[in-house]
Amino acid sequence: DIQMTQSPSSLSASVGDRVIITCRASQSISRYLNWYQQKPGKAPNLLIYAASSLQSGVPSRFGGSGSGTDFTLTISSLQPEDFATYYCQQSHSNPRTFGQGTKVEI
Amino acid sequence: EVQLVESGGGLTQPGRSLRLSCVASGFTFGDYAMNWVRQAPGKGLEWVGFIRSRAYGATTEDAASVKGRFTISRDDSKSVAYLQMNSLKTEDTAVYYCTREGFGGWQQFDCWGQGTLVTVSS
Repeated sequence: DIQMTQSPSSLSASVGDRVIITCRASQSISRYLNWYQQKPGKAPNLLIYAASSLQSGVPSRFGGSGSGTDFTLTISSLQPEDFATYYCQQSHSNPRTFGQGTKVEI
Repeated sequence: EVQLVESGGGLTQPGRSLRLSCVASGFTFGDYAMNWVRQAPGKGLEWVGFIRSRAYGATTEDAASVKGRFTISRDDSKSVAYLQMNSLKTEDTAVYYCTREGFGGWQQFDCWGQGTLVTVSS
């Protein structure tokens, strides 16, 4: 199975900050990397797919990059509604594993 | 509006069975692969398995943790995906989400249901 490791597990930030979350795969997954946002009590929501493609309707302050084993999610200017938990997920092969999550707190 | 609505969760005892349903609307259900993802209380996301569209044989893949106990199926005429869960264990306690797999070959989960809670306890 491909292991996905996110860092950090949690971070504290302020409105307006630039936030970077990293995700590392245990083997190459090309660009088969997706990012999801989850708010408490809600279902996850797709932000980025194929490592860097912005899902329709997602604000442009969210961006993704990387290929192979190392990926990043960047929030260019953190907004109040962005405080949530973020998960990376590989869709290169089954089982489609998720990272452990990164909680972004005030 | 694209929508997925899960149902069938509840409280059950270890060793018993439950069947979850996921009703889709707002899109041509038969064209899409469907996945199940679960989240134990206070924990992260775990992929459970998926079923391909009929065009790809409606075949399934499952996580090792549920293999041989859980079965995914679909009824395209009703726009419903199912998760049959047998021999339930306490560690199967979780919110279960159904998700749609987007087009384009990247297999991203572009639509999620609201989830249904399954609690396995004696």
